[in-house]
Amino acid sequence: DQQVKQNSPSLSVQEGRISILNCDYTNSMFDYFLWYKKYPAEGPTFLISISSIKDKNEDGRFTVFLNKSAKHLSLHIVPSQPGDSAVYFCAASSTSGGSYIPTFGRGTSLIVHP
Amino acid sequence: ETGVTQTPRHLVMGMTNKKSLKCEQHLGHNAMYWYKQSAKKPLELMFVYSLEERVENNSVPSRFSPECPNSSHLFLHLHTLQPEDSALYLCASSLRGQGWTEAFFGQGTRLTVV
Repeated sequence: DQQVKQNSPSLSVQEGRISILNCDYTNSMFDYFLWYKKYPAEGPTFLISISSIKDKNEDGRFTVFLNKSAKHLSLHIVPSQPGDSAVYFCAASSTSGGSYIPTFGRGTSLIVHP
Repeated sequence: ETGVTQTPRHLVMGMTNKKSLKCEQHLGHNAMYWYKQSAKKPLELMFVYSLEERVENNSVPSRFSPECPNSSHLFLHLHTLQPEDSALYLCASSLRGQGWTEAFFGQGTRLTVV
């Protein structure tokens, strides 16, 4: 039973346009959410996070939105660049009760065309 | 470079071999993890060592054996593996205290079992 779901295995976007990557979760105990980016032959690198007390967090071209009632979060990349082409993993964890271990989705492969 | 180093980067082993994967971090983190990434599957948590406690995923076969001699080093001992164990094995670390930091990943060990 997948608690973190990324239903789109791949996404193709034109350079300069917006990329929107989606993630859904089922565990209502999750209160901390992260996005990781992974290039081939490398480990995932942390990109951006959001706590459940917020509904938006922005860092440069990257913005994460959280809709707690829908148990949905999304990562927006504006403007998209060819170097953003990678696999993006959504992860969620529960910081209460000491259960801090992140649960990952399957990932979405983003391709940004020049 | 994330501060988490894994060796070797690539490993080919026979089903009767015994080998070990090594992970090292000097970030001052006190939690270390082993993840398995198979094709088209979510990152699967195998083991966590945190504050000298070990948490494991009960679905991990006994042919995988972790060892954490100190907070900076983590090993994964491999014994009589199967071809389906071929995957990317990722080590990660984080800081667990009053808060929680995002996990930093190593570059992974690409394991092929023949």
